[in-house]
Amino acid sequence: EVQLVQSGAEVKKPGESLRISCKGSGYSFTSYWISWVRQMPGKGLEWMGRIDPTDSYTNYSPTFQGHVTISADKSISTAYLQWSSLKASDTAMYYCATVEGFWGQGTLVTVSS
Amino acid sequence: DIVMTQSPDSLAVSLGERATINCKSSQSVLYSSNSKNYLTWYQQKPGQPPKLLIYWASTRESGVPDRFSGSGSGTDFTLTISSLRAEDVAVYYCQQYYSIPYTFGQGTKLEIK
Repeated sequence: EVQLVQSGAEVKKPGESLRISCKGSGYSFTSYWISWVRQMPGKGLEWMGRIDPTDSYTNYSPTFQGHVTISADKSISTAYLQWSSLKASDTAMYYCATVEGFWGQGTLVTVSS
Repeated sequence: DIVMTQSPDSLAVSLGERATINCKSSQSVLYSSNSKNYLTWYQQKPGQPPKLLIYWASTRESGVPDRFSGSGSGTDFTLTISSLRAEDVAVYYCQQYYSIPYTFGQGTKLEIK
């Protein structure tokens, strides 16, 4: 069974850095590109970018380019989404997902002073 | 970017009646080399990640009830629920995966009348 398991909820202050993770299991991790999707409170889904776990090639939405970094470590079947300096507007649920329809359970990130 | 526009934003349908949600893309998502439309439909219930219902615009995901169907090609697509059940109350999203960034529609909230 394909599973994407994300790291737990985070509470951070503005200006802090953060990395959240998404671990794949039940399949060959390099078989599927991993995307990250943002859902702000009460809002819709926004595609942020994706990574090919084979070679860590990435694509970003222009909306998120330069604001986040997507990476992966295929040796431990894990993809990451990271921020170097969080803002209150980064408060959201973040999902990892594949085009094939597999989704993580989501990681809630709260940024508040 | 391809803009995905869903209509209506919200919809109230009686139990057992048909529900129809439309999705229009700002440019074609039909890939001519394989004649496939790069369009998916998702269902999201509160507190849950999205669930894949339909891919290639009209192929039902395994395990999805056959009351759900997708149709359309090019720029105009429809998700139909033939006979609404209480458990179908959710927000529905279309997404194109034809070109980067993979964009979602704004979502359609489906409720019981």
